Amino acid sequence: SAVISQKPSRDICQRGTSLTIQCQVDSQVTMMFWYRQQPGQSLTLIATANQGSEATYESGFVIDKFPISRPNLTFSTLTVSNMSPEDSSIYLCSVEVDRVYEQYFGPGTRLTVT
Amino acid sequence: RKEVEQDPGPFNVPEGATVAFNCTYSNSASQSFFWYRQDCRKEPKLLMSVYSSGNEDGRFTAQLNRASQYISLLIRDSKLSDSATYLCVVNTDTGNQFYFGTGTSLTVIP
Repeated sequence: SAVISQKPSRDICQRGTSLTIQCQVDSQVTMMFWYRQQPGQSLTLIATANQGSEATYESGFVIDKFPISRPNLTFSTLTVSNMSPEDSSIYLCSVEVDRVYEQYFGPGTRLTVT
Repeated sequence: RKEVEQDPGPFNVPEGATVAFNCTYSNSASQSFFWYRQDCRKEPKLLMSVYSSGNEDGRFTAQLNRASQYISLLIRDSKLSDSATYLCVVNTDTGNQFYFGTGTSLTVIP
């Protein structure tokens, strides 16, 4: 498994502003992912964070709204840009370990946009 | 049609009961299957992978039925601490695309 931390754990932001969420892993991993979980819903994959290249976004998510960085194999950031109340959600990073497709999740960032 | 479908429940069962959840998936090319557990206001945690031959871990048994495209999770001798939402996850093995079910809520009652 892997130990994953996220910062901040929660935040309340005003609409129109941006928030950058950090994800740190205690070991080098190839695959890192960013998910969103809205209240009462399951997880939706936003993008795969690729080290050394642009992130791969899922349908409905774009780089201008959710820019992602992946400078090395242990760290990634997700920015939620120009926020609106609809962006209020929990944002989770996850990693895939040992290429066996098992994912481990960070504790999440609870975002509220007012 | 959703990639992964689960009965949302809730399942309310007494302590000591046996409870089973099913999850159906739509893509016959799916390769990897998992059950995750998510406690309220916490991140999902891997409960067990589901292998073709089925697998057991203590009170938990997971099975895969490829012909009917579903996976199941059986919990025996339910404990209060088993109360959580159980998420079914399927990987299509192409581009690392994971699909999460909406989860099945379980409450074990004293």
